[in-house]
Amino acid sequence: GAVVSQHPSRVICKSGTSVKIECRSLDFQATTMFWYRQFPKQSLMLMATSNEGSKATYEQGVEKDKFLINHASLTLSTLTVTSAHPEDSSFYICSANTGGIEQYFGPGTRLTVT
Amino acid sequence: GQQLNQSPQSMFIQEGEDVSMNCTSSSIFNTWLWYKQDPGEGPVLLIALYKAGELTSNGRLTAQFGITRKDSFLNISASIPSDVGIYFCAGYPGSARQLTFGSGTQLTVLP
Repeated sequence: GAVVSQHPSRVICKSGTSVKIECRSLDFQATTMFWYRQFPKQSLMLMATSNEGSKATYEQGVEKDKFLINHASLTLSTLTVTSAHPEDSSFYICSANTGGIEQYFGPGTRLTVT
Repeated sequence: GQQLNQSPQSMFIQEGEDVSMNCTSSSIFNTWLWYKQDPGEGPVLLIALYKAGELTSNGRLTAQFGITRKDSFLNISASIPSDVGIYFCAGYPGSARQLTFGSGTQLTVLP
């Protein structure tokens, strides 16, 4: 149980375009999902908390107009990177919890902006 | 924000050896979680600790929640090649609902 999927696993886009990343909880409902980014050889940095049916809560320094989060259902949250630039290239990982304290992570999405 | 000091940053050990890594914080954590991350993958939960002094095992892995609630360690016994990866501690400081992550320990197991 507690499986989280992400799609796509890898994406390459051109600078200035937008990219959408999906995060799904496959066998449980998640009222809260979390989006992280991870640079090479670094730890995970929380970007935002995604709440089903309400606005996401962004961490300090994360531009909410650039990283659009939509938590449309109890099993799906999406992160859209708008007007992507090369510095947005990173590993994006989502997580969800089953109502307890454990967070289960998706396999990540490698974004490369050329 | 809250910081977790994780050490060591990296370890090179021989197959079959035991290994230990730890995390410390200047503030109290109510939960400690240990994750392993393989290259290009998301972290996988290994062990969750819920109360001070708790000692929990998962196969060859053992983790403890420090009695002061400001530290935790993870031990791996009889290491094998598939133990290679990055191990992260994580926890919820105080009443926070967002996880704080340690900086990670890169483990390499030599044959």
